[in-house]
Amino acid sequence: AQSVSQHNHHVILSEAASLELGCNYSYGGTVNLFWYVQYPGQHLQLLLKYFSGDPLVKGIKGFEAEFIKSKFSFNLRKPSVQWSDTAEYFCAVTCNAGNNRKLIWGLGTSLAVNP
Amino acid sequence: DVKVTQSSRYLVKRTGEKVFLECVQDMDHENMFWYRQDPGLGLRLIYFSYDVKMKEKGDIPEGYSVSREKKERFSLILESASTNQTSMYLCASSLWETGLNTEAFFGQGTRLTVV
Repeated sequence: AQSVSQHNHHVILSEAASLELGCNYSYGGTVNLFWYVQYPGQHLQLLLKYFSGDPLVKGIKGFEAEFIKSKFSFNLRKPSVQWSDTAEYFCAVTCNAGNNRKLIWGLGTSLAVNP
Repeated sequence: DVKVTQSSRYLVKRTGEKVFLECVQDMDHENMFWYRQDPGLGLRLIYFSYDVKMKEKGDIPEGYSVSREKKERFSLILESASTNQTSMYLCASSLWETGLNTEAFFGQGTRLTVV
């Protein structure tokens, strides 16, 4: 069965530190990849997505992610975090096979940024 | 902007009650989803629907049912609420575009407490 693994469950950083959150998936075919963010008290919203083309994708608020097909990875990065990046981050994958409509979700990474 | 609206932000119900959670989307999306979100467990899919009157079980359908009588509306029903169904419930919708899943858009969530 397809699965998504997020390596870090809790991350604590100081402002201006660099961030990298790992995401690996298990599926050998074509995928669409997503990172979502959930700020405290708010709904889940899309940070960035990869469907095809340039494997380095840029999202909102200075986030970027790189799709490395050979490693089945889609890691999220930000060069310098801010206190306002404190949130929960979810990686999700959809496997493009047949009529599959489901997103497969990682368990999430809780990021706390100290001012 | 896509809007996914859940009828209640907070609900408190008694054990054994029948509970209805309503979700409406305004972007003519084919796919609609119900998830529950619990700390440490990420998002778990309860049911989804890819067309009016169509539904498919997700990963944890037991104790739940759904209804999709109109394309824009997807209802989650707890037939007989139990305390272990206390959770945050998230509704989402997405477009099915030429056989590929696009990103999901989420509602604000309903925090259900069963006492």
